[in-house]
Amino acid sequence: DTAVSQTPKYLVTQMGNDKSIKCEQNLGHDTMYWYKQDSKKFLKIMFSYNNKELIINETVPNRFSPKSPDKAHLNLHINSLELGDSAVYFCASSQEKRGIYEQYFGPGTRLTVT
Amino acid sequence: QQQVKQSPQSLIVQKGGISIINCAYENTAFDYFPWYQQFPGKGPALLIAIRPDVSEKKEGRFTISFNKSAKQFSLHIMDSQPGDSATYFCAASMVGYGGATNKLIFGTGTLLAVQP
Repeated sequence: DTAVSQTPKYLVTQMGNDKSIKCEQNLGHDTMYWYKQDSKKFLKIMFSYNNKELIINETVPNRFSPKSPDKAHLNLHINSLELGDSAVYFCASSQEKRGIYEQYFGPGTRLTVT
Repeated sequence: QQQVKQSPQSLIVQKGGISIINCAYENTAFDYFPWYQQFPGKGPALLIAIRPDVSEKKEGRFTISFNKSAKQFSLHIMDSQPGDSATYFCAASMVGYGGATNKLIFGTGTLLAVQP
Protein backbone atom coordinates (compact mmCIF):
# COMPACT_ATOMS: atom_id res chain seq x y z
CA ASP A 1 0.00 0.00 0.00
CA THR A 2 1.34 3.41 -0.96
CA ALA A 3 1.80 5.55 2.14
CA VAL A 4 1.92 8.95 0.43
CA SER A 5 0.44 9.13 -3.04
CA GLN A 6 0.26 11.94 -5.56
CA THR A 7 -1.67 12.45 -8.77
CA PRO A 8 -0.85 13.01 -11.50
CA LYS A 9 2.70 11.72 -11.83
CA TYR A 10 3.32 13.85 -14.92
CA LEU A 11 1.67 17.13 -15.85
CA VAL A 12 2.42 19.03 -19.05
CA THR A 13 0.63 22.31 -19.58
CA GLN A 14 0.96 25.69 -21.19
CA MET A 15 1.84 29.01 -19.62
CA GLY A 16 -1.10 30.81 -18.11
CA ASN A 17 -3.09 27.68 -17.34
CA ASP A 18 -4.32 26.66 -13.89
CA LYS A 19 -3.58 23.17 -12.60
CA SER A 20 -3.91 21.11 -9.44
CA ILE A 21 -1.86 18.33 -7.88
CA LYS A 22 -3.46 16.01 -5.36
CA CYS A 23 -1.82 14.32 -2.39
CA GLU A 24 -3.15 11.71 -0.01
CA GLN A 25 -1.51 9.90 2.88
CA ASN A 26 -2.81 6.79 4.63
CA LEU A 27 -0.33 6.90 7.52
CA GLY A 28 -2.64 8.74 9.89
CA HIS A 29 -0.16 11.61 10.11
CA ASP A 30 -1.22 15.06 11.29
CA THR A 31 1.25 17.13 9.28
CA MET A 32 1.65 17.38 5.53
CA TYR A 33 4.04 19.32 3.31
CA TRP A 34 4.73 20.42 -0.22
CA TYR A 35 8.33 20.57 -1.46
CA LYS A 36 9.66 21.75 -4.81
CA GLN A 37 12.67 20.10 -6.47
CA ASP A 38 14.19 22.17 -9.24
CA SER A 39 16.17 21.07 -12.27
CA LYS A 40 19.36 20.97 -10.19
CA LYS A 41 17.62 18.63 -7.74
CA PHE A 42 17.53 21.24 -4.99
CA LEU A 43 14.70 20.50 -2.56
CA LYS A 44 12.92 23.38 -0.85
CA ILE A 45 9.86 23.44 1.34
CA MET A 46 6.86 25.40 0.14
CA PHE A 47 4.08 24.77 2.65
CA SER A 48 3.23 22.78 5.73
CA TYR A 49 -0.19 21.99 7.16
CA ASN A 50 -0.97 20.56 10.57
CA ASN A 51 -4.49 19.20 11.03
CA LYS A 52 -5.73 21.27 8.08
CA GLU A 53 -4.11 24.46 9.43
CA LEU A 54 -1.35 26.25 7.52
CA ILE A 55 1.78 26.45 9.68
CA ILE A 56 4.57 27.10 7.19
CA ASN A 57 4.46 29.26 4.08
CA GLU A 58 7.90 29.83 2.65
CA THR A 59 7.20 33.05 0.76
CA VAL A 60 5.76 31.15 -2.14
CA PRO A 61 4.00 33.31 -4.78
CA ASN A 62 0.30 33.57 -4.08
CA ARG A 63 -0.37 31.85 -7.41
CA PHE A 64 0.25 28.71 -5.36
CA SER A 65 -2.61 27.84 -3.05
CA PRO A 66 -2.58 24.71 -0.91
CA LYS A 67 -5.87 23.28 0.25
CA SER A 68 -6.37 20.66 2.94
CA PRO A 69 -9.92 19.29 3.00
CA ASP A 70 -8.95 16.89 5.79
CA LYS A 71 -5.75 15.83 7.49
CA ALA A 72 -5.17 12.98 5.01
CA HIS A 73 -5.20 15.25 1.96
CA LEU A 74 -3.18 18.26 0.90
CA ASN A 75 -3.74 19.51 -2.61
CA LEU A 76 -1.75 22.16 -4.46
CA HIS A 77 -3.46 24.49 -6.89
CA ILE A 78 -1.34 26.67 -9.15
CA ASN A 79 -2.80 29.62 -11.06
CA SER A 80 -1.36 31.33 -14.12
CA LEU A 81 1.46 28.86 -14.57
CA GLU A 82 4.87 30.22 -15.56
CA LEU A 83 7.87 28.58 -17.19
CA GLY A 84 9.77 28.80 -13.90
CA ASP A 85 7.16 26.62 -12.21
CA SER A 86 8.52 23.62 -14.10
CA ALA A 87 9.86 21.28 -11.42
CA VAL A 88 9.09 18.13 -9.52
CA TYR A 89 6.67 18.70 -6.65
CA PHE A 90 6.77 16.35 -3.69
CA CYS A 91 4.16 15.90 -1.04
CA ALA A 92 5.28 14.58 2.35
CA SER A 93 3.71 13.76 5.67
CA SER A 94 4.90 13.29 9.23
CA GLN A 95 3.75 12.61 12.74
CA GLU A 96 5.32 14.19 15.80
CA LYS A 97 7.18 11.71 17.98
CA ARG A 98 9.10 13.15 20.94
CA GLY A 99 9.36 16.44 19.07
CA ILE A 100 10.75 14.88 15.90
CA TYR A 101 8.80 14.90 12.67
CA GLU A 102 10.10 12.09 10.45
CA GLN A 103 8.95 13.08 6.99
CA TYR A 104 7.83 10.56 4.38
CA PHE A 105 7.70 11.65 0.78
CA GLY A 106 5.39 10.78 -2.06
CA PRO A 107 6.62 9.76 -5.54
CA GLY A 108 6.49 13.28 -6.94
CA THR A 109 4.66 15.09 -9.74
CA ARG A 110 6.79 16.31 -12.62
CA LEU A 111 5.27 19.56 -13.87
CA THR A 112 6.39 20.87 -17.25
CA VAL A 113 5.18 24.28 -18.36
CA THR A 114 5.63 25.06 -22.05
CA GLN B 1 22.28 30.65 8.44
CA GLN B 2 19.54 28.45 7.12
CA GLN B 3 21.85 26.72 4.63
CA VAL B 4 23.20 23.20 4.75
CA LYS B 5 26.29 22.75 2.62
CA GLN B 6 26.89 19.32 1.12
CA SER B 7 29.91 17.83 -0.63
CA PRO B 8 30.94 16.31 -2.93
CA GLN B 9 28.44 17.02 -5.68
CA SER B 10 29.17 13.62 -7.20
CA LEU B 11 31.06 10.55 -6.10
CA ILE B 12 32.25 7.39 -7.84
CA VAL B 13 33.12 4.43 -5.66
CA GLN B 14 34.10 0.89 -6.49
CA LYS B 15 31.92 -1.95 -5.27
CA GLY B 16 32.92 -2.87 -1.75
CA GLY B 17 34.43 0.52 -1.05
CA ILE B 18 33.39 3.19 1.47
CA SER B 19 31.30 6.14 0.31
CA ILE B 20 31.60 9.31 2.39
CA ILE B 21 29.37 12.36 2.01
CA ASN B 22 29.84 15.44 4.14
CA CYS B 23 27.53 18.20 5.30
CA ALA B 24 28.01 21.38 7.29
CA TYR B 25 25.54 23.79 8.85
CA GLU B 26 25.63 27.21 10.50
CA ASN B 27 22.46 27.41 12.52
CA THR B 28 23.17 26.04 16.00
CA ALA B 29 19.43 25.72 16.59
CA PHE B 30 19.34 22.74 14.24
CA ASP B 31 19.10 19.57 16.26
CA TYR B 32 17.77 16.89 13.96
CA PHE B 33 19.82 15.68 11.01
CA PRO B 34 18.32 13.10 8.64
CA TRP B 35 19.76 11.64 5.46
CA TYR B 36 17.55 10.86 2.50
CA GLN B 37 18.17 8.58 -0.47
CA GLN B 38 16.55 9.33 -3.80
CA PHE B 39 16.46 7.03 -6.83
CA PRO B 40 15.64 8.46 -10.28
CA GLY B 41 11.93 9.10 -10.67
CA LYS B 42 11.20 8.45 -6.99
CA GLY B 43 10.64 10.53 -3.91
CA PRO B 44 13.32 10.96 -1.23
CA ALA B 45 13.30 8.12 1.29
CA LEU B 46 14.44 8.53 4.89
CA LEU B 47 17.62 6.52 5.36
CA ILE B 48 18.99 7.34 8.80
CA ALA B 49 18.89 10.29 11.20
CA ILE B 50 20.80 11.58 14.22
CA ARG B 51 20.33 13.99 17.10
CA PRO B 52 23.29 16.01 18.46
CA ASP B 53 23.39 14.13 21.76
CA VAL B 54 25.33 11.29 20.10
CA SER B 55 28.42 11.41 17.90
CA GLU B 56 27.64 8.37 15.81
CA LYS B 57 24.68 6.27 14.72
CA LYS B 58 24.89 3.07 12.75
CA GLU B 59 22.18 1.19 10.89
CA GLY B 60 23.43 -1.72 8.85
CA ARG B 61 25.99 -0.48 6.34
CA PHE B 62 25.02 3.18 6.93
CA THR B 63 26.66 5.31 9.62
CA ILE B 64 26.22 8.96 10.51
CA SER B 65 29.15 10.68 12.20
CA PHE B 66 28.32 13.94 13.95
CA ASN B 67 30.71 16.66 15.14
CA LYS B 68 28.75 19.22 17.10
CA SER B 69 31.65 21.61 17.72
CA ALA B 70 32.54 21.71 14.04
CA LYS B 71 28.87 21.80 13.00
CA GLN B 72 29.48 18.99 10.56
CA PHE B 73 28.00 15.58 9.94
CA SER B 74 28.70 12.88 7.43
CA LEU B 75 27.22 9.72 5.97
CA HIS B 76 29.41 6.67 5.54
CA ILE B 77 28.25 3.77 3.38
CA MET B 78 30.33 0.70 4.09
CA ASP B 79 30.75 -2.08 1.51
CA SER B 80 29.07 0.09 -1.13
CA GLN B 81 26.96 -1.80 -3.66
CA PRO B 82 25.74 -0.91 -7.16
CA GLY B 83 22.22 -0.83 -5.70
CA ASP B 84 23.32 2.09 -3.50
CA SER B 85 23.73 4.26 -6.61
CA ALA B 86 21.37 7.16 -5.99
CA THR B 87 21.31 10.80 -4.95
CA TYR B 88 21.83 11.38 -1.24
CA PHE B 89 20.60 14.44 0.59
CA CYS B 90 21.50 15.58 4.06
CA ALA B 91 19.02 17.77 5.86
CA ALA B 92 18.56 19.64 9.10
CA SER B 93 15.66 20.90 11.14
CA MET B 94 14.79 22.12 14.59
CA VAL B 95 13.00 19.70 16.85
CA GLY B 96 10.01 21.33 18.41
CA TYR B 97 6.42 21.01 19.28
CA GLY B 98 3.67 22.56 17.22
CA GLY B 99 5.27 21.88 13.88
CA ALA B 100 6.32 25.36 12.79
CA THR B 101 10.02 24.59 13.15
CA ASN B 102 10.04 21.14 11.58
CA LYS B 103 10.70 22.14 8.00
CA LEU B 104 13.64 20.29 6.53
CA ILE B 105 16.50 22.36 5.13
CA PHE B 106 18.16 20.18 2.52
CA GLY B 107 21.72 20.05 1.28
CA THR B 108 22.34 20.23 -2.44
CA GLY B 109 22.62 16.48 -2.94
CA THR B 110 25.38 14.03 -3.87
CA LEU B 111 25.05 11.75 -6.85
CA LEU B 112 26.68 8.46 -5.90
CA ALA B 113 27.67 5.90 -8.53
CA VAL B 114 28.96 2.55 -7.31
CA GLN B 115 30.81 0.74 -10.05
CA PRO B 116 30.68 -3.06 -10.17
